[in-house]
Amino acid sequence: GIQVEQSPPDLILQEGANSTLRCNFSDSVNNLQWFHQNPWGQLINLFYIPSGTKQNGRLSATTVATERYSLLYISSSQTTDSGVYFCAVEVSQNFVFGPGTRLSVLP
Amino acid sequence: SQTIHQWPATLVQPVGSPLSLECTVEGTSNPNLYWYRQAAGRGLQLLFYSVGIGQISSEVPQNLSASRPQDRQFILSSKKLLLSDSGFYLCAWSVWGGQEFFGPGTRLTVL
Repeated sequence: GIQVEQSPPDLILQEGANSTLRCNFSDSVNNLQWFHQNPWGQLINLFYIPSGTKQNGRLSATTVATERYSLLYISSSQTTDSGVYFCAVEVSQNFVFGPGTRLSVLP
Repeated sequence: SQTIHQWPATLVQPVGSPLSLECTVEGTSNPNLYWYRQAAGRGLQLLFYSVGIGQISSEVPQNLSASRPQDRQFILSSKKLLLSDSGFYLCAWSVWGGQEFFGPGTRLTVL
């Protein structure tokens, strides 16, 4: 089956810093989503981005489907950005999740 | 707008006891429904998915089962819980070709 990798596995930032999270996938996919799991476990949709670039406030994402990767950019990070970031790719109506990047933003 | 409900939020059960977790979706018709499990500090594991009433696909062989008695209701069950069943259980929905949305989750501890 399809393999989804995320890097880095862990990231520690000082508040105000910028960061880039990467998601690589091994085969063609129908769709790709980025999620943020907050410390209480809730998974929050960030981007639905099968291709191209989208921006939402301090966050933006780019997916290059032909090269099988997606990037999530976080600018001017805040402590509330802490948590785990997952990418998930859709294959045949199922979503396959990467292992996540655990982000800690220090005040 | 669409809403997804899960209950209970937390559950502590003894080994060997039965389990029933319920998930309901509002505001959409004929959604795809999913059950995931997340072990502490780990990623999400797809357990079951359903594309319609009575249609269940299992991704991982285990002592859990799922049922979809109504279009927007998805139930996760077990006849006898194991210690290894502890985890965070998440229900999700999507429509074909669209985004996936998650419920608040149930934190299950088996003692």
